[in-house]
Amino acid sequence: NAGVTQTPKFQVLKTGQSMTLQCAQDMNHEYMSWYRQDPGMGLRLIHYSVGAGITDQGEVPNGYNVSRSTTEDFPLRLLSAAPSQTSVYFCASSPTLAKNIQYFGAGTRLSVL
Amino acid sequence: KQEVTQIPAALSVPEGENLVLNCSFTDSAIYNLQWFRQDPGKGLTSLLLIQSSQREQTSGRLNASLDKSSGRSTLYIAASQPGDSATYLCAVSGSARQLTFGSGTQLTVLP
Repeated sequence: NAGVTQTPKFQVLKTGQSMTLQCAQDMNHEYMSWYRQDPGMGLRLIHYSVGAGITDQGEVPNGYNVSRSTTEDFPLRLLSAAPSQTSVYFCASSPTLAKNIQYFGAGTRLSVL
Repeated sequence: KQEVTQIPAALSVPEGENLVLNCSFTDSAIYNLQWFRQDPGKGLTSLLLIQSSQREQTSGRLNASLDKSSGRSTLYIAASQPGDSATYLCAVSGSARQLTFGSGTQLTVLP
């Protein structure tokens, strides 16, 4: 059972480039979310999804897009990367929004130059 | 807006000591509270989840308490071991079930 899988583990981008961070879970969880973690600031919610076809914004959504076409996958797209988006990104899933014991992926470390 | 604070930011203790990590939150209207462990370069692992109607949860050497009225939670670690060294994060879930995290306490247990 792989749990929550994030790819890539590391990425370096130049300002203005776009890219997609991948997240997949094999636990048939309804709820998935993306966080960013910056030094001294804890994790902040970017976007979340309560099921296929449904997404919503979190605390810091600007500069990011998401879609949820399947239960398993929840990709995060950076439209035009900025140095302020240098961070560690975590994807998480939980069985339902109510049962929100969340399972986290190992993270993607992104640097924007 | 919910705010979660964890004090201290870092803590160093000798092996075998019992210790308490603190978490405070500003809005007492929470759905539940979770404690997570994060090892360097790794994701988060859920340790304990306390529903808003509960006062405490226990798992092995870990005990977490919740006092909603005062906006506080503590994580008690008994007989600490070097393997307990990690960053411990507290997160609260509000009515929309979204998690708000504290910035964590970095724990070092010295052999």
